Amino acid sequence: AQSVSQHNHHVILSEAASLELGCNYSYGGTVNLFWYVQYPGQHLQLLLKYFSGDPLVKGIKGFEAEFIKSKFSFNLRKPSVQWSDTAEYFCAVNAKPGAGSYQLTFGKGTKLSVIP
Amino acid sequence: SQTIHQWPATLVQPVGSPLSLECTVEGTSNPNLYWYRQAAGRGLQLLFYSVGIGQISSEVPQNLSASRPQDRQFILSSKKLLLSDSGFYLCAWSVFGGRTEAFFGQGTRLTVV
Repeated sequence: AQSVSQHNHHVILSEAASLELGCNYSYGGTVNLFWYVQYPGQHLQLLLKYFSGDPLVKGIKGFEAEFIKSKFSFNLRKPSVQWSDTAEYFCAVNAKPGAGSYQLTFGKGTKLSVIP
Repeated sequence: SQTIHQWPATLVQPVGSPLSLECTVEGTSNPNLYWYRQAAGRGLQLLFYSVGIGQISSEVPQNLSASRPQDRQFILSSKKLLLSDSGFYLCAWSVFGGRTEAFFGQGTRLTVV
């Protein structure tokens, strides 16, 4: 079964620091990749997505992610975080294992706390 | 535009009682539908997904079941709740296929007492 690993459970940064959150997946076929964000008290929102083409994708609020196929990774980055980026971030993979249907699988999430 | 409705928002149920959480989607046809459970530190655990009416796939063996009686309706049920069923349940939908993001409902906070 496909799986998604987010290695950092909780990241604490000061404002203006750079951010990189790791995401690795286990599926070897064609994948569609996503990062979602959940701000405190709010529901999940899409941050960015990758289907094909340029492996460096840009999302909302200055976030970007790079798809590295050889490393099965889709890391999220932001050059300078703000206090308002405090949230939980989820990496997700939508893939079709074998002859089955597409499955959307999430990582366990990384909680980001930005200190003013 | 498409919208997803999930209710109730909060629910407190005694151990051993039945459960029924409902999710409906508007503005689209033949969506993929999902039930997730979100727990602190454990992320989103996929419980069930459905690609069509009456087609349910279960990812985790548990005390819960799901049904899809209509194209845009997805129901999460239990005959007898356990304390361990407490959690935050999310319904989501996506366009059929892989090249699409999922859209989430507001969630249901279930507390089993």
